[in-house]
Amino acid sequence: NLLLTQPHSVSESPGKTVTISCTRSGGSIASNSVQWYQQRPGSAPTTVIYDNNQRPSGVPDRFSVSIDRSSNSASLIISGLKTEDEADYYCQSYDSNNVVFGGGTKLTVL
Amino acid sequence: QITLKESGPTLVKPTQTLTLTCAFSGFSLTTNGVGVGWIRQPPGKALEWLAVIYWDDSKRYSPSLKSRLTITKDTSKNRVVLTMTNMDPVDTATYYCAHTYSGNIFDPWGRGTLVTVSS
Repeated sequence: NLLLTQPHSVSESPGKTVTISCTRSGGSIASNSVQWYQQRPGSAPTTVIYDNNQRPSGVPDRFSVSIDRSSNSASLIISGLKTEDEADYYCQSYDSNNVVFGGGTKLTVL
Repeated sequence: QITLKESGPTLVKPTQTLTLTCAFSGFSLTTNGVGVGWIRQPPGKALEWLAVIYWDDSKRYSPSLKSRLTITKDTSKNRVVLTMTNMDPVDTATYYCAHTYSGNIFDPWGRGTLVTVSS
């Protein structure tokens, strides 16, 4: 069964770079695309990355992704952190039977 | 501009059936590749995918909830309906609908509707 595991929380200072990992169990991370969603408190999720490394219009290039096949994981990298980046981040992928979200990572920018 | 809006009861009793409607605009569910999905989020917890329906009326369901879910569409009214049977307090969550153009990428999302299951 497909499972995506994320760290519960990460924190970093403004202007720094933070990495949020998403480790896939049940198949290769490269088998299906990975999406990343940002969810601010009280709001619906919005897409920050789709199709592994594509940014929707309006999402700054401070958001990027790396794939590590050795650890079977994808990582969301946010550089030049801003206080407005503080939110929950969810990775999401799929297989032939299911669509799965990771458990979410709370990013604190302090 | 694509918009979606969820509607339905805010409170249901255990064992009852929940019916939620997603009204959308800015796209057609007759367009090749287009779909509408449902995702829920219990308070303070993670997102959970429930179901998706496509332009050709094909459907996919979460394996863990498949026996309780039915998703349908009304193309003429630009609406998608999700029913979930035998509701339980653990089903208390915000239920979102979202546009999808592959069945696996959800964007954008509606604002969500909070459903509480309690007697």
